[in-house]
Amino acid sequence: TQLLEQSPQFLSIQEGENLTVYCNSSSVFSSLQWYRQEPGEGPVLLVTVVTGGEVKKLKRLTFQFGDARKDSSLHITAAQPGDTGLYLCAGDMDSNYQLIWGAGTKLIIKP
Amino acid sequence: DADVTQTPRNRITKTGKRIMLECSQTKGHDRMYWYRQDPGLGLRLIYYSFDVKDINKGEISDGYSVSRQAQAKFSLSLESAIPNQTALYFCATSDQRGILNEQFFGPGTRLTVL
Repeated sequence: TQLLEQSPQFLSIQEGENLTVYCNSSSVFSSLQWYRQEPGEGPVLLVTVVTGGEVKKLKRLTFQFGDARKDSSLHITAAQPGDTGLYLCAGDMDSNYQLIWGAGTKLIIKP
Repeated sequence: DADVTQTPRNRITKTGKRIMLECSQTKGHDRMYWYRQDPGLGLRLIYYSFDVKDINKGEISDGYSVSRQAQAKFSLSLESAIPNQTALYFCATSDQRGILNEQFFGPGTRLTVL
């Protein structure tokens, strides 16, 4: 079974703190995507990482793809209440056009 | 206007009833997907379609059927709904010309089967 494990499953922190969430697998992916989902809405794509070791920044969010393309991390600097949501990672194995989805990290940023 | 729309947004039904969930998109994408989301389980693929004549089963297709009426429309049916089909259902699209399979989601349908 192909799995993407996300950790932690749940994180509640104060505004201004830093945090990192992880997405790990034993499988190699051709690319990996991060999505954010807010209550009552569908997931929205944040970023796609493609190259092993790649780092992408989106304002206060930093995404990294592992050198072996089996894992990824999302780091948020100085978290704000607007960062609250469910963060999902999805890996593409490039073999059958289906994404492998993690179960998500539910993030709450308290004012 | 939203690029991917779903109707209805909420539906409560009874066991044994037939239900249809509809999805429309204006993104011009050929690829469309139906997922269900349950707490702690992430997104699971039900069916996907790469064009009007191409329909494929996903991970959890039992109890569901789909119809691709046009490039822009993809509907999901529950022929005889059961309580464990209570979930959030999402339609998504992706661009057949892209190599990254990045997906664009509708707002979801919350389905409750009593």
